[in-house]
Amino acid sequence: AQTVTQSQPEMSVQEAETVTLSCTYDTSESDYYLFWYKQPPSRQMILVIRQEAYKQQNATENRFSVNFQKAAKSFSLKISDSQLGDAAMYFCAYQSYNTDKLIFGTGTRLQVFP
Amino acid sequence: GAVVSQHPSWVICKSGTSVKIECRSLDFQATTMFWYRQFPKQSLMLMATSNEGSKATYEQGVEKDKFLINHASLTLSTLTVTSAHPEDSSFYICSALTTGTSGGRSTDTQYFGPGTRLTVL
Repeated sequence: AQTVTQSQPEMSVQEAETVTLSCTYDTSESDYYLFWYKQPPSRQMILVIRQEAYKQQNATENRFSVNFQKAAKSFSLKISDSQLGDAAMYFCAYQSYNTDKLIFGTGTRLQVFP
Repeated sequence: GAVVSQHPSWVICKSGTSVKIECRSLDFQATTMFWYRQFPKQSLMLMATSNEGSKATYEQGVEKDKFLINHASLTLSTLTVTSAHPEDSSFYICSALTTGTSGGRSTDTQYFGPGTRLTVL
């Protein structure tokens, strides 16, 4: 069975600085998808970024980028130029190629200080 | 695009009553929707997969008779918590799956509703 691990329960960053959130996963599959979702205090889950395992190129979405290391089974999220609105819980998630179910990590709470 | 709504956003009910939560995809059709449960300061736990026109698939340990799921149209799935008890109090979140392909690859992605906070007294 696949598992997703987020080893940082909490992280903090100064406004305008850069922060990296870690995620590792375990799978025997060769084809899959990885996601980062953001859950602000409103508790609305928001898709941040999506990565296909077969693509070598790291996904980017504006200030958000990932460092996908398939051999190491690592999928970290980098937030550049952090903003106060980035404060939220961030969940890493795994999806097998053959199923649309998501397996979530335990989350990392990000605080952004002015 | 890919907006999902849930109703109600919060509900308080008495023990023993049933509560229905609606999940709608507003700007796309969703053959598949998912229902999750989230306890305070915890991650999302998948309860079931809802498929339009067929029976839902429940995860291990989830009581089918307690959490009734109906996916009657391509834009609406409902979760009914039957004979609710205080231990059913939780935050329930649905998601709807957008489907498609690009370059021969799946682009399936889940988009989430805003959640429903259920409190059973």
